[in-house]
Amino acid sequence: AQSVAQPEDQVNVAEGNPLTVKCTYSVSGNPYLFWYVQYPNRGLQFLLKYITGDNLVKGSYGFEAEFNKSQTSFHLKKPSALVSDSALYFCAVMVTGTASKLTFGTGTRLQVTL
Amino acid sequence: DAGVIQSPRHEVTEMGQEVTLRCKPISGHNSLFWYRQTMMRGLELLIYFNNNVPIDDSGMPEDRFSAKMPNASFSTLKIQPSEPRDSAVYFCASSFRLAGVLEQFFGPGTRLTVL
Repeated sequence: AQSVAQPEDQVNVAEGNPLTVKCTYSVSGNPYLFWYVQYPNRGLQFLLKYITGDNLVKGSYGFEAEFNKSQTSFHLKKPSALVSDSALYFCAVMVTGTASKLTFGTGTRLQVTL
Repeated sequence: DAGVIQSPRHEVTEMGQEVTLRCKPISGHNSLFWYRQTMMRGLELLIYFNNNVPIDDSGMPEDRFSAKMPNASFSTLKIQPSEPRDSAVYFCASSFRLAGVLEQFFGPGTRLTVL
């Protein structure tokens, strides 16, 4: 079975500071990894994905994530946070060969303050 | 592109009533997913379809829930009879299964309240 852990319910960052939202995964095969963001009263929006290749992937709104196979992690990062980045962030994993089934983490609320 | 369209956006009903949620996927997408989001359980996959065929319905909570996809541009999720514990936000998502793509595109959700 595949699973995703987001160990922090909330991350607080001052605007302009770097941010990291943590994600670890557990799968029995090769993972495809995703980050989504959810703004209040909205659906989830795709940010970025790791399929294969370069371990550092860049996505929308200046976000990036690094795939670390040995640590089974896929942490989301941004060099300089904005207040408008405040939202709920979900990590998700899909295992190759399992059709299109995504397993989501419980989400991490990012709060960026002035 | 209008994105994934869901209706209604909000639904308030009384326990025991039938509820039907509707979804129109992005044109050309061949996979469709129904999710439920609650504070207690987070985001749960209920069922998904590939090419209009249900592939995995193991997340459907019980027989009161049913989903159909009669054609590539329309799907419904029905709850009959509804119960207060069904109150949640229900999301529909679609994707196009092609190597290297895979990401799902979510609709705005239907907020269901069962009194």
